[in-house]
Amino acid sequence: QSALTQPPSASGSPGQSVTISCTGSSSDVGAYNYVSWYQQHPGKAPKLIIYEVSKWPAGVPDRFSGSKSGNTASLTVSGLQAEDEADYYCSSHAGSNNFAYVVFGGGTKLTVL
Amino acid sequence: QLQLQESGPGLVKPSETLSLTCTVSGGSIITTNIYYWAWVRQPPGKGLEWIGSVRYGGSSFYKPSLRGRVTISLDTSNNQVSLKVRSVTAADTAVYYCTREVESSSHSWGQGTLVTVSS
Repeated sequence: QSALTQPPSASGSPGQSVTISCTGSSSDVGAYNYVSWYQQHPGKAPKLIIYEVSKWPAGVPDRFSGSKSGNTASLTVSGLQAEDEADYYCSSHAGSNNFAYVVFGGGTKLTVL
Repeated sequence: QLQLQESGPGLVKPSETLSLTCTVSGGSIITTNIYYWAWVRQPPGKGLEWIGSVRYGGSSFYKPSLRGRVTISLDTSNNQVSLKVRSVTAADTAVYYCTREVESSSHSWGQGTLVTVSS
């Protein structure tokens, strides 16, 4: 039940694109298409921005996109804006049957330069 | 629109039981069996940690390292979700969030409530 691995920080200038990785194992990210991404601004509750690897909840701009290859999922933020500066967390379904659970990544702090 | 509101004591003594309630409005916790009701916590300055989830009429699931110390249950009469964490230590100090999950993804979140474990 190790946490998923994310880089602690990422940065980019306004208008640029940045990609955040989320590495798990064949028991979580690699086994299921149930990877989610959350955005969290300071002092606020997390907000879902990507679910089931690459789907958008209503109201989330398509500047945010998700993908997965093997045991690694990725979040790409295109056309960076100042308001994108936040912490980003990935999560994945893990385990199986009666012992299923959800595992989170350690989080990535995105800085807009 | 679905709203989740956590409530409970902000201070709990070590070795005691932490008890929180999530009041759900704008939707019923027994509406459909695709929704799971979950708890996620975040220690101050740290990342998110999934605690567990439960579905009406279905099974409950817990983080392996917390299994046996945590119970999540539904109060259908009051449309509430409860969390109990037994034998707490300082490591259980965190902001606790109530969420509604679909396929292991938390689509809706409460605002969170800070619980401090201290004597």
